[in-house]
Amino acid sequence: NAGVMQNPRHLVRRRGQEARLRCSPMKGHSHVYWYRQLPEEGLKFMVYLQKENIIDESGMPKERFSAEFPKEGPSILRIQQVVRGDSAAYFCASSPRQTRQGASNGYTFGSGTRLTVV
Amino acid sequence: KQEVTQIPAALSVPEGENLVLNCSFTDSAIYNLQWFRQDPGKGLTSLLLIQSSQREQTSGRLNASLDKSSGRSTLYIAASQPGDSATYLCAVNPQGGSEKLVFGKGTKLTVNP
Repeated sequence: NAGVMQNPRHLVRRRGQEARLRCSPMKGHSHVYWYRQLPEEGLKFMVYLQKENIIDESGMPKERFSAEFPKEGPSILRIQQVVRGDSAAYFCASSPRQTRQGASNGYTFGSGTRLTVV
Repeated sequence: KQEVTQIPAALSVPEGENLVLNCSFTDSAIYNLQWFRQDPGKGLTSLLLIQSSQREQTSGRLNASLDKSSGRSTLYIAASQPGDSATYLCAVNPQGGSEKLVFGKGTKLTVNP
């Protein structure tokens, strides 16, 4: 039972290029979350998705960033026209179906994708 | 707005010492609180999850407590080992927040042999 799989582990992009980060949740997990960790900062929530639905994107920058979780395949975080400030570690997490109270039973995180913009 | 603070930001102890890491949060309306470990350049490993109705959880040499009314949690590590060196992150799952976690900045622990 593989954990949350993220790829690539490291990604280097030149300013203005596009970055695509992929996340495959744990088997049986239907909720996916993306977080960003800037240098010397804590993890910040970006977006919460279920299959084919964006549930909460309140942490996503308004421009250049988008996320999807299609019916088949991994979740994708896409950053268009990257800038130096996008350099960070991007983590994906998954959790099982939430309880009726709305609380998850805890997250499982992937190892992250470290994006460097040069 | 929920904010999570971890003190100290860094801690260095000799091997074998017992230690406590602190986490405080501003809004007691949470579903649960989770402690994670992050090794340099690696992902997050979940250590302990405490539901809001619980007071503590234990796993091996780790014990986490939760005082929801005062907005505090502690992570106690007994008989520390060099392999415990890592950054420890505290995160709360706020009620009504679509399950997104709010993280502290972490405590960087170094256990010296």
